[in-house]
Amino acid sequence: EADIYQTPRYLVIGTGKKITLECSQTMGHDKMYWYQQDPGMELHLIHYSYGVNSTEKGDLSSESTVSRIRTEHFPLTLESARPSHTSQYLCASSESGGTQYFGPGTRLTVL
Amino acid sequence: AQTVTQSQPEMSVQEAETVTLSCTYDTSESNYYLFWYKQPPSRQMILVIRQEAYKQQNATENRFSVNFQKAAKSFSLKISDSQLGDTAMYFCAFMIGWGNYQLIWGAGTKLIIKP
Repeated sequence: EADIYQTPRYLVIGTGKKITLECSQTMGHDKMYWYQQDPGMELHLIHYSYGVNSTEKGDLSSESTVSRIRTEHFPLTLESARPSHTSQYLCASSESGGTQYFGPGTRLTVL
Repeated sequence: AQTVTQSQPEMSVQEAETVTLSCTYDTSESNYYLFWYKQPPSRQMILVIRQEAYKQQNATENRFSVNFQKAAKSFSLKISDSQLGDTAMYFCAFMIGWGNYQLIWGAGTKLIIKP
């Protein structure tokens, strides 16, 4: 069973607020990913990291930023939330060439 | 560019029936991995089954099995003796076997198991 955690699970916030979505894994995986997913729709990769101090943007343009200071921690930050950011955000991790394991997700609503 | 196509947006079957979800992909690579993921209404994405392209034998996990046709670039998922708990979105995904560790995702199939 994969051990990957995301907090908060649900977040409702007003426009213009700064938010950080947390993601942690205890498996020692070097690769981590952030996806954006609207309900019932496909996943879009917004950020990924192949190790400490390594971050890259994914295929879907996003106004969010990420950091990877520790292997186990990969937070995502929105400096100024807008209603268009309303979505579900999924965090995942993997070993090299391996299966991606997912956290439970954060449902973000921006009013 | 690699692509993954799931042609069935939604399917529904009666409990205990067998159902097959289709997935096709396009790549010029010879070494790659294929995955089926399940996302129940609670929304946690879970790996169902994984297939390495170099393996000719189809992967099996309990009631879940795949029909991997490499020449046809087809990777269908068969669920036998379907259960109510199988109701979920099912996503097919593809990853090349070197360098790039990103998954290419299909659009998903919504599977409903009816009692």
